[in-house]
Amino acid sequence: GAGVSQSPRYKVAKRGQDVALRCDPISGHVSLFWYQQALGQGPEFLTYFQNEAQLDKSGLPSDRFFAERPEGSVSTLKIQRTQQEDSAVYLCASSLFDRDYGYTFGSGTRLTVV
Amino acid sequence: GQQLNQSPQSMFIQEGEDVSMNCTSSSIFNTWLWYKQDPGEGPVLLIALYKAGELTSNGRLTAQFGITRKDSFLNISASIPSDVGIYFCAGPRNGANNLFFGTGTRLTVIP
Repeated sequence: GAGVSQSPRYKVAKRGQDVALRCDPISGHVSLFWYQQALGQGPEFLTYFQNEAQLDKSGLPSDRFFAERPEGSVSTLKIQRTQQEDSAVYLCASSLFDRDYGYTFGSGTRLTVV
Repeated sequence: GQQLNQSPQSMFIQEGEDVSMNCTSSSIFNTWLWYKQDPGEGPVLLIALYKAGELTSNGRLTAQFGITRKDSFLNISASIPSDVGIYFCAGPRNGANNLFFGTGTRLTVIP
């Protein structure tokens, strides 16, 4: 597609519920990133994929967070047993090749855990 | 660890005024990027800088890569209402393929 598409735009989850957030990157983009942005803060890195390989997951805050990109295109970020501190905007970004820092970001999914 | 501090935290300016903001780091960066984020949207890349001392323009925006490689500056000339938003500096983490973002400068332009 023309841009990075994320769904849903908004998600309200009850504490303890599992959620799945979807990212559809720009077609042909090799690199895909997930970032977490808390209110009033800059984006914080979560994980990175090069095609289908998850090469860096050092930013995932706990083992409740899991990401996949099985066919090297669409990616899903899953959060199990959500907690209030998981409330944030989750941003997906893609770039054409490795070390291309000119990311294109999606509009994000705003997750609110109640 | 790496930290990017941006100042000022927020700015209120009159339309037509010039704007300056900066970003400082406790460690060296080899690439500096400036992004703008509108409410409800993801950040959009404005300018990328790859060399110490480099000065790059994009329309009314000018950014500089500091000589020490520990700072960068962004200037906006003749501000207009659509310049409103949050401006982030960013740089690659050491040895990693992801970006570290600053704390942001929130710009408000008063018509």
